[in-house]
Amino acid sequence: DTGVSQNPRHKITKRGQNVTFRCDPISEHNRLYWYRQTLGQGPEFLTYFQNEAQLEKSRLLSDRFSAERPKGSFSTLEIQRTEQGDSAMYLCASSPTRGAGELFFGEGSRLTVL
Amino acid sequence: GNSVTQMEGPVTLSEEAFLTINCTYTATGYPSLFWYVQYPGEGLQLLLKATKADDKGSNKGFEATYRKETTSFHLEKGSVQVSDSAVYFCALFALRGDTGRRALTFGSGTRLQVQP
Repeated sequence: DTGVSQNPRHKITKRGQNVTFRCDPISEHNRLYWYRQTLGQGPEFLTYFQNEAQLEKSRLLSDRFSAERPKGSFSTLEIQRTEQGDSAMYLCASSPTRGAGELFFGEGSRLTVL
Repeated sequence: GNSVTQMEGPVTLSEEAFLTINCTYTATGYPSLFWYVQYPGEGLQLLLKATKADDKGSNKGFEATYRKETTSFHLEKGSVQVSDSAVYFCALFALRGDTGRRALTFGSGTRLQVQP
């Protein structure tokens, strides 16, 4: 049973460095989502893709953040010039087109910015 | 905008006690409502859902009823077990502002600790 896979699971970096996270969704799922979760809070929506098209970006996603899903399969989330406030768990989820809120989440990638 | 409010935790119960976790929402249009659960060391997973008013979602002994008149979706279980210890998130799926697109909006989560 292959669920949503995220890598790396934990990344520690110094302020100002760039980091990239990868998400491999469930293969037959067309939609892919990125969320951010900080301690004691629920996940916050960042962006989502329908196949390779990025259909929406939250205002939380500053210019330093970019996400891609080049072939409609895996996705990457890059953060440039990291800041301490970027420290969080980055969650990826996928769903079929008609999933209507039924998302399948990965275990997340934890970012620590020193 | 859309929002979900959950009771703060942690909620600490003894095994076989009755559980209620309150959830209320504000949303555009007619949302679908969900409870997701996060067990220690695992990713979020769907626990149950309800897509229209008066629907009752149920799974693993948990239940929640979509109450449009009170904009609520409280989670209940008659007899909790130690294995139910986890963080529970209420969520809604609805139109986001003027984008015309739907997304899942989560509450802040409620940690449940069940003691033997």
